[in-house]
Amino acid sequence: DTAVSQTPKYLVTQMGNDKSIKCEQNLGHDTMYWYKQDSKKFLKIMFSYNNKELIINETVPNRFSPKSPDKAHLNLHINSLELGDSAVYFCASTGGGSPEAFFGQGTRLTVV
Amino acid sequence: DAKTTQPNSMESNEEEPVHLPCNHSTISGTDYIHWYRQLPSQGPEYVIHGLTSNVNNRMASLAIAEDRKSSTLILHRATLRDAAVYYCILRWDNFNKFYFGSGTKLNVKP
Repeated sequence: DTAVSQTPKYLVTQMGNDKSIKCEQNLGHDTMYWYKQDSKKFLKIMFSYNNKELIINETVPNRFSPKSPDKAHLNLHINSLELGDSAVYFCASTGGGSPEAFFGQGTRLTVV
Repeated sequence: DAKTTQPNSMESNEEEPVHLPCNHSTISGTDYIHWYRQLPSQGPEYVIHGLTSNVNNRMASLAIAEDRKSSTLILHRATLRDAAVYYCILRWDNFNKFYFGSGTKLNVKP
């Protein structure tokens, strides 16, 4: 079983569209994250949720809205997609007293 | 937030040890030193972490300088599968403040 799974793996869409990326973890962790990795491969934290509450919001445009329906899920909704949103988005989770963060396989978003 | 500095790239021969350095001169007393690696087309994966003492696990060893301003990740016998970008990260607790730097791209030659 995959610990942290993201869907879809690839997403190609036009500018101006609205899209969502889903993330689920089956580790029983309390904290989940979204990271963005741009073309220069730099990984930047976007959001962090702990027990369904937002605890980190790192200067991300309002067009990005995370939603955590329960502790096991953290979805990312993006409105009015722009070319600059093209990147690989990674979901991650931590918890259970362990320092280890588990990452998903990533969602490659391409805005055309 | 305390930052880390790593060489952009390093090269190693297969079966030989690799020492990946990291400088973190502004580290605070509560910062843990974590290492992650990212294999091509995959998400980052945990390698090792420590606070003050050197640490060993099945993947690697972590050597931490006495003043904690630098650390070294040691892969004892590099394999082709170890070719990845290695990130040294400072983390002040187990939950938040998890920032990646630019990392070191390790190339392993057969």
